[in-house]
Amino acid sequence: SQQGEEDPQALSIQEGENATMNCSYKTSINNLQWYRQNSGRGLVHLILIRSNEREKHSGRLRVTLDTSKKSSSLLITASRAADTASYFCATTLLVFGQGTRLTINP
Amino acid sequence: GAVVSQHPSWVICKSGTSVKIECRSLDFQATTMFWYRQFPKKSLMLMATSNEGSKATYEQGVEKDKFLINHASLTLSTLTVTSAHPEDSSFYICSARDPAGQTGDTQYFGPGTRLTVL
Repeated sequence: SQQGEEDPQALSIQEGENATMNCSYKTSINNLQWYRQNSGRGLVHLILIRSNEREKHSGRLRVTLDTSKKSSSLLITASRAADTASYFCATTLLVFGQGTRLTINP
Repeated sequence: GAVVSQHPSWVICKSGTSVKIECRSLDFQATTMFWYRQFPKKSLMLMATSNEGSKATYEQGVEKDKFLINHASLTLSTLTVTSAHPEDSSFYICSARDPAGQTGDTQYFGPGTRLTVL
């Protein structure tokens, strides 16, 4: 399967803490994207990192990419209750990982 | 960012009927749109790639006669679930790439359509 895998599958933390999610994939890529999905809703694009980039920032989001290990991580700093959602990574082949369900407890 | 809409947002139908779901790119032209299916608490599974003016490309295991895709214009793709059965109940999501956007590889997703077949 070319499907990526997120780790952990579920994560519950306190508001204000940092949340880190990991994604592994199996094929070579041109870029990798992270998306957020609120329950029963569509996906929202968060950030795209290209294969020649190692780290990228966007607001409270930090994404890293290690093409040698075929893995990426998404860090959300100073988490808020509104960050509660499922987070998916997707490769250029439009293959999505299983997602990480993040719960931020007030 | 670019906006993609879907209609309807939810639909309940009887077994054996056909249901059409529309996907529209509201402020950009999309030569290619994608249809996904998502089961509860699961990831998105790509069903097919919809190409404007030509036949859709279906992923392995997806019945093309069951899931009819039409991409008649640069802003509209439709997915018709024919002779729907309860096992077709799912969340269907479309997406489109904005080739003229700042990041041409970025996909913009519709809000999804929840189909329930009784």
